[in-house]
Amino acid sequence: KQEVTQIPAALSVPEGENLVLNCSFTDSAIYNLQWFRQDPGKGLTSLLLIQSSQREQTSGRLNASLDKSSGRSTLYIAASQPGDSATYLCAVSKGANNLFFGTGTRLTVIP
Amino acid sequence: DTAVSQTPKYLVTQMGNDKSIKCEQNLGHDTMYWYKQDSKKFLKIMFSYNNKELIINETVPNRFSPKSPDKAHLNLHINSLELGDSAVYFCASSHGLETSGLFFGEGSRLTVL
Repeated sequence: KQEVTQIPAALSVPEGENLVLNCSFTDSAIYNLQWFRQDPGKGLTSLLLIQSSQREQTSGRLNASLDKSSGRSTLYIAASQPGDSATYLCAVSKGANNLFFGTGTRLTVIP
Repeated sequence: DTAVSQTPKYLVTQMGNDKSIKCEQNLGHDTMYWYKQDSKKFLKIMFSYNNKELIINETVPNRFSPKSPDKAHLNLHINSLELGDSAVYFCASSHGLETSGLFFGEGSRLTVL
């Protein structure tokens, strides 16, 4: 069964720093991988979606990479801001219509 | 103008009671989901409906019964609530059976006493 792990569980950085969040998964036969953001008491917002045939996706200050063969993905956040503080979740799809979520990385950006 | 809305947002009830959570989406999507997020923040899919038909039914006790009266609604009814049912339940929707573009509601926090 697919297991998704995110390290670290929590991360604090000063404002302006670049940072990397890690996600690993045990079964490389995935359909796609998504990164989500969850604010306290809120639902999830999709940030980036990488199809299994792609290596990376970029949106503004965010860049997500995917190495399917090694079962890893990273989310790079450039020039972090206090508004980036949230929990970041990665999720892999084993096929259409089903996502396996990691437990998330709680990011705090200190002004 | 909320895309995926769930009610109620908070629900506190006694063990043994029956309760329902409602979900509605105005995005024109044809696939809807229920996810459970436990105290350790782990999200796990419970059910998925496509065009009112059940597609995914993970290992969930049969005390949980989803109902989709139409493509825009997916409700979750829970019978004989137990302490372990305490969690945040998220509704989500997407277009087709793809998980790309998954839109989540803000969650319904259920506390069973």
